[in-house]
Amino acid sequence: AQTVTQSQPEMSVQEAETVTLSCTYDTSESDYYLFWYKQPPSRQMILVIRQEAYKQQNATENRFSVNFQKAAKSFSLKISDSQLGDAAMYFCAYRSGSNYQLIWGAGTKLIIKP
Amino acid sequence: DAGVIQSPRHEVTEMGQEVTLRCKPISGHNSLFWYRQTMMRGLELLIYFNNNVPIDDSGMPEDRFSAKMPNASFSTLKIQPSEPRDSAVYFCASSWSRRTNYGYTFGSGTRLTVV
Repeated sequence: AQTVTQSQPEMSVQEAETVTLSCTYDTSESDYYLFWYKQPPSRQMILVIRQEAYKQQNATENRFSVNFQKAAKSFSLKISDSQLGDAAMYFCAYRSGSNYQLIWGAGTKLIIKP
Repeated sequence: DAGVIQSPRHEVTEMGQEVTLRCKPISGHNSLFWYRQTMMRGLELLIYFNNNVPIDDSGMPEDRFSAKMPNASFSTLKIQPSEPRDSAVYFCASSWSRRTNYGYTFGSGTRLTVV
């Protein structure tokens, strides 16, 4: 069975600095997708970034980028120039190419210090 | 597009009462999911619909929970009778099943409190 692990329950970063959130996963499949979702205090689950396993290039969305290490089964999220609005819970998720289920990590609470 | 729309945003009810949560998925999406989020258990998939048909309801906690999707633009999750342990945030999410790489789009959730 696939699993997703986020080993950092909480992280803090100074405003304008860079922070990296960790995520590892376990799967025996070759066709899958990985996601980072953000859940601010408003509780809306917002898709931040996604990565297809078959793509070697790391996904980037403005200040958000991932470091996808397929062999190591690692999918970390880097947030550059952190802003107060980035404060939220961040969830890593896995989806098999042949299954509808999203497998979720436990989440990392990101605190931004002004 | 207005996104996935859930109502109500908050619901407070007394134990034993019936509660109905509503969801309007994104137009064109053919997959719909109901999730429950609690501090203790995180995000749990309750039920999955594809093309309005329930495909997987193995996450529905017990017979007190039921879900329907009468058409492509509307779904309900009903709890009858409600219990304090049902207190949680309930999310609806939708997606297009042929675009697995796009993840799901979530609604804003309904915070249910059963007293």
